[in-house]
Amino acid sequence: DQQVKQNSPSLSVQEGRISILNCDYTNSMFDYFLWYKKYPAEGPTFLISISSIKDKNEDGRFTVFLNKSAKHLSLHIVPSQPGDSAVYFCAASEGNNNDMRFGAGTRLTVKP
Amino acid sequence: GAVVSQHPSWVICKSGTSVKIECRSLDFQATTMFWYRQFPKQSLMLMATSNEGSKATYEQGVEKDKFLINHASLTLSTLTVTSAHPEDSSFYICSARDQGLREKLFFGSGTQLSVL
Repeated sequence: DQQVKQNSPSLSVQEGRISILNCDYTNSMFDYFLWYKKYPAEGPTFLISISSIKDKNEDGRFTVFLNKSAKHLSLHIVPSQPGDSAVYFCAASEGNNNDMRFGAGTRLTVKP
Repeated sequence: GAVVSQHPSWVICKSGTSVKIECRSLDFQATTMFWYRQFPKQSLMLMATSNEGSKATYEQGVEKDKFLINHASLTLSTLTVTSAHPEDSSFYICSARDQGLREKLFFGSGTQLSVL
């Protein structure tokens, strides 16, 4: 039962352009959403999060947008840099529940 | 930032043998650690929640007798895959929560298990 879906397994973007990574979820009880970034041979690291009471959260070049009615969130990276090349995981959780659900990840490649 | 160390990073074993994977929080105490499994092109799936000093809580469909979890201290949890079979070949990854905050979830680097 895949409650969090990342339908694009990969994305390639030119340096300096915008990267948009998408994530859809099915559980309307999810109220906290996170993006993790993973480099090869390393564990995922926390990137940015958003609570369901907001529709946008910005941190430097990274912005997460949440559309609750569509059960959709996206991560925007502007401008994209080659060092952003990694696998990005979307995750969602409900209340204080420790059970965080992950998407399958999207591999972003930023070309110089 | 907080560091979670996971060993080994890669292991090959024969069918029927047992494999132990260690997960350590290096600079914080973690009363709760989590074990995930990821098959190729699929999501990170939560297998179990490991609680220090008590029994682990397993997700539906995960065999507790096959995947033994021990969380004997605030900085160490182990996952033992008993009598491993080729279908257990997967990427296993642990995480630990610092301070009970949802964004303070730190991951190990994962273990790629291949069972021949």
